[in-house]
Amino acid sequence: AAGVIQSPRHLIKEKRETATLKCYPIPRHDTVYWYQQGPGQDPQFLISFYEKMQSDKGSIPDRFSAQQFSDYHSELNMSSLELGDSALYFCASSRGLNEKLFFGSGTQLSVL
Amino acid sequence: QQQVKQSPQSLIVQKGGISIINCAYENTAFDYFPWYQQFPGKGPALLIAIRPDVSEKKEGRFTISFNKSAKQFSLHIMDSQPGDSATYFCAARAAPGGSYIPTFGRGTSLIVHP
Repeated sequence: AAGVIQSPRHLIKEKRETATLKCYPIPRHDTVYWYQQGPGQDPQFLISFYEKMQSDKGSIPDRFSAQQFSDYHSELNMSSLELGDSALYFCASSRGLNEKLFFGSGTQLSVL
Repeated sequence: QQQVKQSPQSLIVQKGGISIINCAYENTAFDYFPWYQQFPGKGPALLIAIRPDVSEKKEGRFTISFNKSAKQFSLHIMDSQPGDSATYFCAARAAPGGSYIPTFGRGTSLIVHP
């Protein structure tokens, strides 16, 4: 079965650079969620989209922005990167505002 | 403030033993309680979930016990196997009308020794 696909798997950036993370949800899933997970931490909700509209907002810094495109894939744009942004970024998808979330394998971002 | 409190932080169990992970919550608007299993380098995967209208749910070796009055729920892994070694997260989600975004506990790192 198709799963949530995230790219890239690993990303290394310098401070103050920008990064773009991509998420391709499971086919027919119209809701996408972004989470940030620091080392040894629980996933922290950043932002979500339902039917290409932002549906909820969590602890996403103002330096970050995201959107969901017409094909339902989503991109998380991160600017002015800081050392503290180093983390595993997960995307999850669901069909509608369903409680069953399916997570991708994440993008490991390292900011040097 | 952690809305879902999970313990222990780490757990070591012998093969064949029972692993027990506990979670507690305060928000009475929560009405869906999933458990996620996460292996290193992978995303969390839904393991089992329960709603507060039942006190127990069992799927294979995994059982959720739910105590609505105490606002606590726990995951029991029977006959624990080395392949169960992973990080386990409990989570909670509010009913429609509330926030549908799952809130995670801090996770439990389980190690099952052969």
